Amino acid sequence: SAVISQKPSRDICQRGTSLTIQCQVDSQVTMMFWYRQQPGQSLTLIATANQGSEATYESGFVIDKFPISRPNLTFSTLTVSNMSPEDSSIYLCSVEYQGRPSRVLSYNEQFFGPGTRLTVL
Amino acid sequence: QQQVKQSPQSLIVQKGGISIINCAYENTAFDYFPWYQQFPGKGPALLIAIRPDVSEKKEGRFTISFNKSAKQFSLHIMDSQPGDSATYFCAARKYNFNKFYFGSGTKLNVKP
Repeated sequence: SAVISQKPSRDICQRGTSLTIQCQVDSQVTMMFWYRQQPGQSLTLIATANQGSEATYESGFVIDKFPISRPNLTFSTLTVSNMSPEDSSIYLCSVEYQGRPSRVLSYNEQFFGPGTRLTVL
Repeated sequence: QQQVKQSPQSLIVQKGGISIINCAYENTAFDYFPWYQQFPGKGPALLIAIRPDVSEKKEGRFTISFNKSAKQFSLHIMDSQPGDSATYFCAARKYNFNKFYFGSGTKLNVKP
C-alpha cells in the first residue's frame, strides 16, 4: 500500500484566513482525492485531483473555496479559503492504488492519509 | 439521497463476542464493497473488501457476508478484542468509477 503523509496534522485558524494542506505520497499515483470528515460523521468527497488536469469537484464544493493543485504524481494541496467556523473539520487526502497483482481481478483501492484537523475560530 | 445505509450507529460488544455491522445499498451498479476501520485521530484504513461474485470473504477474524439479491453486506468481527474498538465505515463503488459512497459509520466499543 502507499504511505501517505499530510501537513499540517492540525491547525487552529482565524475566520477569513486560508489554509493550505499538503499531501505527499511515497509512490506515483494517478488518482488523488480530498475528503472532508466532520466530527463524528462520515466521509464526504470534495474533489478528485488528477495530475495534469483540473480537479473535479463534487456537488456543493467549488474551486474558489477549495482550490486544489496537483503538480506531480506524488503531491497535492488543498486550500480552504476564506474560512468560517463551518469549515472546522478533518480533511483527508486519499490515493487510488492498484490492488496486489496476485489477485485474479484487481480493483483499485483507496488509501487514506492521517488527516488534517482544522479548527476555525 | 444516501447511497449506502449503515447500521447500527454504535455497538457495544464484550471481549470475545461477535460484532456485526450491516450495510444496505440500492444501486445495482455497485460492484466493489470495502470496509474501513478508523481509530481516533487517524485516517480510515482499508480492512477488507468484497466483490459481488462471492457471498463471503474472510481475512483473519474479519468476514464480509454479501447478499446480492437483498443488496446487503455485513462485517463480522469474530472474537472481538478491545483493540478493535474503532469506527467502521462500509463503502460502495461502481465499476470503473473512482467515487466511493460511504456509510454513516458505526462506532464499536469492545468491553474488556
